[in-house]
Amino acid sequence: DTGVSQNPRHKITKRGQNVTFRCDPISEHNRLYWYRQTLGQGPEFLTYFQNEAQLEKSRLLSDRFSAERPKGSFSTLEIQRTEQGDSAMYLCASSPPPDRGARKWAYEQYFGPGTRLTVT
Amino acid sequence: QQQVKQSPQSLIVQKGGISIINCAYENTAFDYFPWYQQFPGKGPALLIAIRPDVSEKKEGRFTISFNKSAKQFSLHIMDSQPGDSATYFCAASKDDSWGKLQFGAGTQVVVTP
Repeated sequence: DTGVSQNPRHKITKRGQNVTFRCDPISEHNRLYWYRQTLGQGPEFLTYFQNEAQLEKSRLLSDRFSAERPKGSFSTLEIQRTEQGDSAMYLCASSPPPDRGARKWAYEQYFGPGTRLTVT
Repeated sequence: QQQVKQSPQSLIVQKGGISIINCAYENTAFDYFPWYQQFPGKGPALLIAIRPDVSEKKEGRFTISFNKSAKQFSLHIMDSQPGDSATYFCAASKDDSWGKLQFGAGTQVVVTP
């Protein structure tokens, strides 16, 4: 399977603990996004990487959240001192570099299966 | 402030019928409008997408209709099948925003046999 993979798929943690999620994008996709999805809602943008550079962070990403993408390959999202309000599905998506000559849209984002976080 | 508004919240359609989901947006800078399909416990899957330079795009049983002047776009699912039962999300992005997607709240579609 060459799609976006995320690990773990499920994480249950106690309030105040730190958690880390991993995303492996589709090979050769240089763009990587993190989104958060709560029950009954659409995904909300958290942060964006182009190669190893983090180019944008949403105001939803408080100081307790940090994301990295070393070497422009996989990415990690860490949440420190988790709170019950952090319970959500954390989704990763990747996108290929633009190929405007072939009219391939730069924004086709392919999502992973997500990591379901439950904070008790 | 939700930049993309989606309706209805849910709909039930009989097998073979047409499912229609509507979305409206405010930001005229949006220039890419995809639809995603999501099954319970899974990530969203890209279904079909459109740019504002065309008014309609069809892929199999799925059609996007786009009305630039009204700032609205819709998804039509023809000949709906029970396997189409899922939550559908519309989204939008703009060229100068790294492609980050603004999603609607979703429509739960149930196709009855």
